[in-house]
Amino acid sequence: NAGVTQTPKFRILKIGQSMTLQCTQDMNHNYMYWYRQDPGMGLKLIYYSVGAGITDKGEVPNGYNVSRSTTEDFPLRLELAAPSQTSVYFCASSPTGYNYGYTFGSGTRLTVV
Amino acid sequence: GQQVMQIPQYQHVQEGEDFTTYCNSSTTLSNIQWYKQRPGGHPVFLIQLVKSGEVKKQKRLTFQFGEAKKNSSLHITATQTTDVGTYFCADSGAGSYQLTFGKGTKLSVIP
Repeated sequence: NAGVTQTPKFRILKIGQSMTLQCTQDMNHNYMYWYRQDPGMGLKLIYYSVGAGITDKGEVPNGYNVSRSTTEDFPLRLELAAPSQTSVYFCASSPTGYNYGYTFGSGTRLTVV
Repeated sequence: GQQVMQIPQYQHVQEGEDFTTYCNSSTTLSNIQWYKQRPGGHPVFLIQLVKSGEVKKQKRLTFQFGEAKKNSSLHITATQTTDVGTYFCADSGAGSYQLTFGKGTKLSVIP
């Protein structure tokens, strides 16, 4: 049982490049989330999904896109990377949206130069 | 989710001392969750509090939910070096699918 798996662990992007952060979970959780964490700022929600085919914006969605074609996978797409997107990105999942703790992946550390 | 304020932002303690972090809101919280993030790691779920006045214990950790459900606290008795990390509280918000996290309290333990 791997839990939530994120790839890659580290990435350096040049301004204007694009990339996809991968997230997959093997717990059959319906709910999945993408957060970004900046130093001293806690975690901010980018996008979330309550099931396959359903996604919605969180607090800081600009510059990002998501899709959820299967229960297991929830990739995060960065288009036209900007230095402001330098951050640590965490994917998380839960059985439902509340009353259960989130299981987080180990994170992707992204630097945009 | 609602905005939750955590204090203090940083805390340095001598090993063996107690530690407390507080999570406050100006409005009623729904369910409070607490997470621990070790340096360089990812957040790990510790516990959820749901009821007004609820108190839960996990070994040396005591979690409380205020009577008015506007605040919560995490108390660690006799800290150890393994307690080092950042502790976050998070609120789900009534009927919300998402958690709103506080900015966390970073705990350092001096051996």
